[in-house]
Amino acid sequence: QAVVTQEPSLTVSPGGTVTLTCGSSTGAVTSGHYPYWFQQKPGQAPRTLIYDTSNKHSWTPARFSGSLLGGKAALTLSGAQPEDEAEYYCLLSYSGAVVFGGGTKLTVL
Amino acid sequence: EVQLVQSGAEVKKPGESLKISCKGSGYSFTSYWIGWVRQMPGKGLEWMGIIYPGDSDTRYSPSFQGQVTISADKSISTAYLQWSSLKASDTAMYYCVRHSPGGAYWGQGTLVTVSS
Repeated sequence: QAVVTQEPSLTVSPGGTVTLTCGSSTGAVTSGHYPYWFQQKPGQAPRTLIYDTSNKHSWTPARFSGSLLGGKAALTLSGAQPEDEAEYYCLLSYSGAVVFGGGTKLTVL
Repeated sequence: EVQLVQSGAEVKKPGESLKISCKGSGYSFTSYWIGWVRQMPGKGLEWMGIIYPGDSDTRYSPSFQGQVTISADKSISTAYLQWSSLKASDTAMYYCVRHSPGGAYWGQGTLVTVSS
């Protein structure tokens, strides 16, 4: 089974910009992996921020964007807010199988 | 509005069986894959498997194959996750999630506690 890798932790200053990445042990991540990004705060269910690489849900703040960058899926947060402090998970699809990354703990400090 | 409503928290003993549910509304239940996700205490998300209620096509993660059964009853727009013999290590929060197209929608989660 493929392994999906994320940075274990990142820190961003309020108002700053940070990029989280999502890599695959099988090679470059492409749109064919239909990358998703989820945000989870303590005690809450995850919520979907980005699907199919770069599409946003109606509730996704405009400061979040998804892309492919250097062979990985990427989630960029521009203008970080204190409420963005959370765990972020990516998910990739592989011909019927689905694998989560280990998550990135984002601190806004 | 798309909604996934899961059944309530469960407390079970090792060896007991359990079936938890996830009822979809606000969309065509038979036209979207529904997956199940495990989150053990203090840990990350793990994809367990997925079902297409339209034809009951079901796929499992290798880690969960043979450990759980995923099913769906399209007549009542409900997906299920079941265990025949629970272990203490099954203690976790379980989420259902409706997959694309159009994004991913999550249930609120069902906490399963297995303790003697």
